This record gives sequence, C-alpha cells and structure tokens, in this order.
Amino acid sequence: IQMTQSPLSLSASLGDRVIITCRSSQDIKNYVAWFQLTPGKPPRSLIFGSSNLQRGIPSRFSGSGWGTDFTLTITNLQPDDFGTYYCQHYIEYPLTFGEGTKLEIK
Amino acid sequence: QVQLEQPGAEVKKPGSSAKVPCKASGDTFNKRAINWLRQAPGQRLEWIGRLVPLVGVLTYADDFKGRITISEDISTATVYLHLNNLRSEDTAVYYCASDLPPAGSIDVSSLDFWGQGTLVSVS
Repeated sequence: IQMTQSPLSLSASLGDRVIITCRSSQDIKNYVAWFQLTPGKPPRSLIFGSSNLQRGIPSRFSGSGWGTDFTLTITNLQPDDFGTYYCQHYIEYPLTFGEGTKLEIK
Repeated sequence: QVQLEQPGAEVKKPGSSAKVPCKASGDTFNKRAINWLRQAPGQRLEWIGRLVPLVGVLTYADDFKGRITISEDISTATVYLHLNNLRSEDTAVYYCASDLPPAGSIDVSSLDFWGQGTLVSVS
C-alpha cells in the first residue's frame, strides 16, 4: 500500500492553521496514524485510528478521514510544531509511510 | 508511559554485522509488541519487522528477509535487531517503536512509544 502526502513542505507563522493531506493507494478504512519527527528527539506519535489523539497530544492537533483520503490539521501553530510529519497505515504488513511533510515556522 | 532505550550510534565496516538493542521499561511494556524501523538519509521511514515478546511471533518486511533477524532477552526486557552483511545503503537511523495489540490478539496496532534511534553508519 502506497501512502502519498502533500504538500512535501510548507512554511507557516505562529498562530496559523496548517493542513497536511495523505492519500493511500487502496482502502485502509481508518487504520492511519500520524507522527512528528524533529532532529535530536524521538519520533512523536500524534494520532491513531485517523482521528484519535495519542495521550498527551494537545487538542490543537486533529485528524480526519476514512478509506483513502486523510488529513492532519494543526491550529494555533507553536514553535515546537516545526519538524517533519508522516502518515502511516497499519491495516496490514508491511506498514508503510508517506514521504513526509516538512513544516517550517516563518 | 513506556520507555524504549537505544544507544546513540554505531560505526560498522561493509560486510560486517550489527546488533542494535532496544531496552523496554515502564507501564505495560510487557504487553506491547516491538517494531523496528529505519530512516536512511533523505528517505522516508521504512518498517523492517515486528516481534511480539513472550509469544515470540516474528514478522519481517520482504525487503529485509534473509538479512535481518529480531530476537529478545526476556531477562533484561531487551529486543535486538541483528543486521547482517552490512552495505553502505544500510546507513540509517534505526528506531524501535512499540504497539499495543488489541486485547486477545497479536495483530499490529498503531505505534505509540519510540526509542531515540540508533545511527548505524556503514563505511
């Protein structure tokens, strides 16, 4: 199963809202997770089951979608939000990831 | 909260082997499966394989079968990724990450906790 993200990079200001999209090559129901990778830190799990926040993740993060099209939305952008965001499916083996979306803070 | 502890870096020669540890601790760590993933420079994350500890069920990605194995040391709660016949293309950050299978199942679930990552450099 191939996962395709867009955009591959974006730049936004503190307080902005950003939306990242992810499309799968086949129906994966809601077996989608989102992660943030930041240099020097362990990856951070944000969302599971398309729309459920992992423990400790602020409500500024939200996810949605079913089937083949999914979105990650971040509102009120904060300095710690920079990094690269990945979507991933877990409906079957092998687990696969999108290309990543690099978010830069203006 | 689950903690997954990994060493920072290893340097290896082409053709050699590496054994990367991932030590688990914390709440419910013994109920979780351990996955191994890697990210080569400029590449997306890549899933390598998964071990359900205690039960010993192993699943590997086809691209890595024959060159990697995953093992566990129950006494130290450590899962190992064994990489054989290393090539320069294996240079990457290797992560372990846990998932909590649904009750009564060993099916893969969403990755929740991650290790810091081990940079394996092959040159």
